[in-house]
Amino acid sequence: GDSVTQMEGPVTLSEEAFLTINCTYTATGYPSLFWYVQYPGEGLQLLLKATKADDKGSNKGFEATYRKETTSFHLEKGSVQVSDSAVYFCALSDSIDDKIIFGKGTRLHILP
Amino acid sequence: DGGITQSPKYLFRKEGQNVTLSCEQNLNHDAMYWYRQDPGQGLRLIYYSQIVNDFQKGDIAEGYSVSREKKESFPLTVTSAQKNPTAFYLCASRSNTVSNQPQHFGDGTRLSIL
Repeated sequence: GDSVTQMEGPVTLSEEAFLTINCTYTATGYPSLFWYVQYPGEGLQLLLKATKADDKGSNKGFEATYRKETTSFHLEKGSVQVSDSAVYFCALSDSIDDKIIFGKGTRLHILP
Repeated sequence: DGGITQSPKYLFRKEGQNVTLSCEQNLNHDAMYWYRQDPGQGLRLIYYSQIVNDFQKGDIAEGYSVSREKKESFPLTVTSAQKNPTAFYLCASRSNTVSNQPQHFGDGTRLSIL
């Protein structure tokens, strides 16, 4: 079945560092891919999405490119801030099934 | 503003008691979902509903029940059969008129045992 694998955390970086959180997927169809962010005590917020191969999703300085050849959707940001500290979830939606498959989440700590 | 409202934000359950978590959405979404999140863990699907008066079990449905009498509402009951109910519960909804849409989430309900 479909699955999402993302790098385990926690990831700790200094402010203004470059961020990469890896995410790879397996899917039988042509999925859409998402990154969600969860701040402490809150629900998940959609950060960005990509619906087909080579699409780049971007929002708030974060980017991710849908790479079909490597089945990846890595999250990147050029200069992180303390306010980016949160848990990040990679997810996919396959039109064959009505469910969304989530990765286990990666906790990010940004040090001032 | 459209969105998903979960209530209450905090809930306490006594032993042997059933409790109901509320989830209401005004996004006109057909599909609604309930997830459980334990500390440091990902999301686990409890139940989901793609249309009014119909719902399906997710991966961890035992000890939980749901109803979907209205499009806007999808309440979750944590029954006394759920022996370890302490967790953060998240409700989500999604449009299924267009395929592969993202889910929208509420702010969650934190359930604890007294």
